Amino acid sequence: AQKITQTQPGMFVQEKEAVTLDCTYDTSDPSYGLFWYKQPSSGEMIFLIYQGSYDQQNATEGRYSLNFQKARKSANLVISASQLGDSAMYFCAMRGVAGQNFVFGPGTRLSVLP
Amino acid sequence: DAGVTQSPTHLIKTRGQQVTLRCSPKSGHDTVSWYQQALGQGPQFIFQYYEEEERQRGNFPDRFSGHQFPNYSSELNVNALLLGDSALYLCASSLERGGLETQYFGPGTRLLVL
Repeated sequence: AQKITQTQPGMFVQEKEAVTLDCTYDTSDPSYGLFWYKQPSSGEMIFLIYQGSYDQQNATEGRYSLNFQKARKSANLVISASQLGDSAMYFCAMRGVAGQNFVFGPGTRLSVLP
Repeated sequence: DAGVTQSPTHLIKTRGQQVTLRCSPKSGHDTVSWYQQALGQGPQFIFQYYEEEERQRGNFPDRFSGHQFPNYSSELNVNALLLGDSALYLCASSLERGGLETQYFGPGTRLLVL
């Protein structure tokens, strides 16, 4: 079975600073993908970034980067130069090749302060 | 390029009633997954449809059923509604090729059961 843990229910960050959102996972799949989604108060899940378990380099997408440490089973999201519009819930998710569905963590609520 | 669309956006029902939620996938996608997100929690996988058949199912009772049409759009039906069915229902689409494809989500339908 797959499991995602996000231990930070809420985080605060000052505008223009960087913030790291933690994610650890557990799986028996030999190949898997890790994803981060942003969910504003409107409810829509917005895809941010993807990391494959066999990718040699950490994924980056604009201001988002994924700090992937396979041995520690962690996939932390780093947001650089935070903006007020980054205030939202952030979910870490994973899927294995053997399974078709995504497994989500409980989420972290990020608040960006002016 | 149209993204994932869902209808209706909001719905109020009473216990025991039946509800149908609708989803149109992102252009070019052939697979639709449905998730239930209770307040303050991460999304939970309900089931996935591919080629008009249910391919995988999460831990949800038979009251939850679905359908996929030849144009890849999908419906989620919930019978005999319970108060605990109140949640945000998210539809996600993807182009499944046996790998670790990303799922893209719609804005969701907020269901309130009174």
